[in-house]
Amino acid sequence: SQQGEEDPQALSIQEGENATMNCSYKTSINNLQWYRQNSGRGLVHLILIRSNEREKHSGRLRVTLDTSKKSSSLLITASRAADTASYFCATGRSYNTDKLIFGTGTRLQVFP
Amino acid sequence: DSGVTQTPKHLITATGQRVTLRCSPRSGDLSVYWYQQSLDQGLQFLIQYYNGEERAKGNILERFSAQQFPDLHSELNLSSLELGDSALYFCASSVGTTAFTDTQYFGPGTRLTVL
Repeated sequence: SQQGEEDPQALSIQEGENATMNCSYKTSINNLQWYRQNSGRGLVHLILIRSNEREKHSGRLRVTLDTSKKSSSLLITASRAADTASYFCATGRSYNTDKLIFGTGTRLQVFP
Repeated sequence: DSGVTQTPKHLITATGQRVTLRCSPRSGDLSVYWYQQSLDQGLQFLIQYYNGEERAKGNILERFSAQQFPDLHSELNLSSLELGDSALYFCASSVGTTAFTDTQYFGPGTRLTVL
């Protein structure tokens, strides 16, 4: 079963625009991670935010976490065509230490 | 390149058959994870091994089994294959034991098609 649900399912934007993806989850977590997957390829880890953090930055990526709303957002600023990929959130549940549960993903298309 | 290798890249087989997927983790990583990605089920965690021992189990069918060898490479065995087993199978590795605190490095995947 999926822990996280990403929204929107798909997003199309022009190069230079910002892209925002949201992730909602159901149970309490220890942390939340975001991964990127280029079409048909393996996932690449982007960023991890702990449950006691509210915001984290990495280059053009900004992640926020609101544990009261059980939601996270990933913002990609000044997007590039190379950002075209699927983006997944993944949660580590506080009562199950050995599993990373992935969401359904957002497909991002950035047009040049 | 994540440093995780998987073979083969593609596998086409018939229902009822058995296949073995192979994964070599990054140098120094002791944990290996297997995932199945299909259009209808998304990315599903199957099983984790740490230093040769089974560490965690997810949605792995009884027809599937895995093991991790002393050299830390891992194999996922799928038997009595059904059409619904067609999917991308990913292996990932990490340094430690805990899936949600360690960064997982994913291999390129094996695309299995069952005809």
